[in-house]
Amino acid sequence: AQKVTQAQTEISVVEKEDVTLDCVYETRDTTYYLFWYKQPPSGELVFLIRRNSFDEQNEISGRYSWNFQKSTSSFNFTITASQVVDSAVYFCALSEAYDYKLSFGAGTTVTVRA
Amino acid sequence: SAVISQKPSRDICQRGTSLTIQCQVDSQVTMMFWYRQQPGQSLTLIATANQGSEATYESGFVIDKFPISRPNLTFSTLTVSNMSPEDSSIYLCSVMRDGEYEQYFGPGTRLTVT
Repeated sequence: AQKVTQAQTEISVVEKEDVTLDCVYETRDTTYYLFWYKQPPSGELVFLIRRNSFDEQNEISGRYSWNFQKSTSSFNFTITASQVVDSAVYFCALSEAYDYKLSFGAGTTVTVRA
Repeated sequence: SAVISQKPSRDICQRGTSLTIQCQVDSQVTMMFWYRQQPGQSLTLIATANQGSEATYESGFVIDKFPISRPNLTFSTLTVSNMSPEDSSIYLCSVMRDGEYEQYFGPGTRLTVT
């Protein structure tokens, strides 16, 4: 069975600090997909990024960057120069190619203080 | 991304009653899923809603308690039957379009059972 671990329960930073969210996964499938979702206080779940198991290229999108390393089964997420609007719960998730069902990590609550 | 709506957005129900949640998408989608998010917790998959056939339930969820319908490629319902306070959660539908691997989520239905 697939499994996603987000060891950090809560992270609190001051605005403009960088914050890195850790995600470690387990799967026996060779083809799988990794995701990050954001859930702000309003409650909706916002898709941020998908990474395919066969594509280890890191990605940067504005202040967000993602580091995918198959060797350590990790898919970490960094917010650079954090802002108050980044305050949310961030979920890492995994799906396998044969059924596409999402398994979520426990989530990391990020609080950015002004 | 797809535009997804859910009705109702929230409800307060009495123990022993049932509530049907609707999920409507603005375009045809390949797959639809239903998730539950208990207070302060992560998301757990309830079932995959299959168009024209019975839903596929995850371990711990049964059809008698959570009957699901999906009459076409843009609509699905989830019923929470014979409710108890333990059913108080946010229920979210998600969709995945053909050729894509990420799931987009509806705004959720916040259910409180008293």
